[in-house]
Amino acid sequence: NAGVMQNPRHLVRRRGQEARLRCSPMKGHSHVYWYRQLPEEGLKFMVYLQKENIIDESGMPKERFSAEFPKEGPSILRIQQVVRGDSAAYFCASSPPETPQQYFGPGTRLTVT
Amino acid sequence: GEDVEQSLFLSVREGDSSVINCTYTDSSSTYLYWYKQEPGAGLQLLTYIFSNMDMKQDQRLTVLLNKKDKHLSLRIADTQTGDSAIYFCAENPNDYKLSFGAGTTVTVRA
Repeated sequence: NAGVMQNPRHLVRRRGQEARLRCSPMKGHSHVYWYRQLPEEGLKFMVYLQKENIIDESGMPKERFSAEFPKEGPSILRIQQVVRGDSAAYFCASSPPETPQQYFGPGTRLTVT
Repeated sequence: GEDVEQSLFLSVREGDSSVINCTYTDSSSTYLYWYKQEPGAGLQLLTYIFSNMDMKQDQRLTVLLNKKDKHLSLRIADTQTGDSAIYFCAENPNDYKLSFGAGTTVTVRA
């Protein structure tokens, strides 16, 4: 059973461009979570999704950020008009329903120049 | 509130025991977790403990939970160079959201 997959692993964008980060959960996992890690900080919760539903997006900035988890395909975190402050590592985690464990992917390291 | 605190650094000699401490604030957390992050990698779930337990042991790892003081610790016996990493403590203030500390960087010296 492959782990949580994220791509790309590294992404460089110029200010004002769009960043799309993809996450494929583990097989059998229908819950996806996105976290952001700023340099030398812990992870901060951004959004929790189930298939075709956003359950909690309280940690996501209101502007420029969006997330989806379609019926088919990976979950996507989209950042429009990126700014330098968006530079961070973005981690996706997944879990099956009704379990407390979240399994993390390797992360996407976004650098905004 | 959601505020998990950890000491930032720990240096330990190879073969000794490491103890990483954490305090959390949300007494409603059902589970508490320890994750390990190696350089440039994602987070690996090391172990977790249910809030009604005091201790959990898993091979070289021992987790102690003092719910009254909201204190969690991770002990690594016979620390090896491969244990060098950042260790994150996390609580779950609701059913799904994990709240992480800033991480403890453990350096194992020969």
